[in-house]
Amino acid sequence: AQKITQTQPGMFVQEKEAVTLDCTYDTSDQSYGLFWYKQPSSGEMIFLIYQGSYDEQNATEGRYSLNFQKARKSANLVISASQLGDSAMYFCAMTILTGGGNKLTFGTGTQLKVEL
Amino acid sequence: NAGVMQNPRHLVRRRGQEARLRCSPMKGHSHVYWYRQLPEEGLKFMVYLQKENIIDESGMPKERFSAEFPKEGPSILRIQQVVRGDSAAYFCASSVTEGGAYNEQFFGPGTRLTVL
Repeated sequence: AQKITQTQPGMFVQEKEAVTLDCTYDTSDQSYGLFWYKQPSSGEMIFLIYQGSYDEQNATEGRYSLNFQKARKSANLVISASQLGDSAMYFCAMTILTGGGNKLTFGTGTQLKVEL
Repeated sequence: NAGVMQNPRHLVRRRGQEARLRCSPMKGHSHVYWYRQLPEEGLKFMVYLQKENIIDESGMPKERFSAEFPKEGPSILRIQQVVRGDSAAYFCASSVTEGGAYNEQFFGPGTRLTVL
């Protein structure tokens, strides 16, 4: 079974600063994918970034980057130049890439608040 | 190309009634996943379906919950004899193919079920 742990229930960051949201995972599978989703107060799930377990480079998407440290089983999200619109709940998730579907296992989330 | 559609967006039921939640996947997607998000928690996988088949229902409660994805029409998540603990947001996601490689799941806006 897979497990995702997000140890920061809430985080504050000042506008234009960078922030790191922590995520550690646990799995015995070798082939897996890691995701970050954003859930604003309106409730929808917005895909941000994906990292495959065999990808050698850390994933980046605009202001989002995923700091993937396989040996430590961590997949932290870094948001650079924070904006007020980044205030939301952020979920780390993973799936196993060995067939039989891609069901996602989610962490409990981190509530990020960006302040002026 | 319309995204994943879910209806209704909000559903209120009294204890003991039935709730039917509908999910229309993106065009060309034949794989559907249902997730439940209890208040203040992350999303939890419930069931994975392909057209006319339930592939993985390991996250479904054993009683009162059922899901289907008929050859024609939307996927339906059905909750019989609802209880207050069923109050949650129910998300559906669709993808093009099954696992074995990264296949992005596109999430619908969710159905917020409130049981009075």
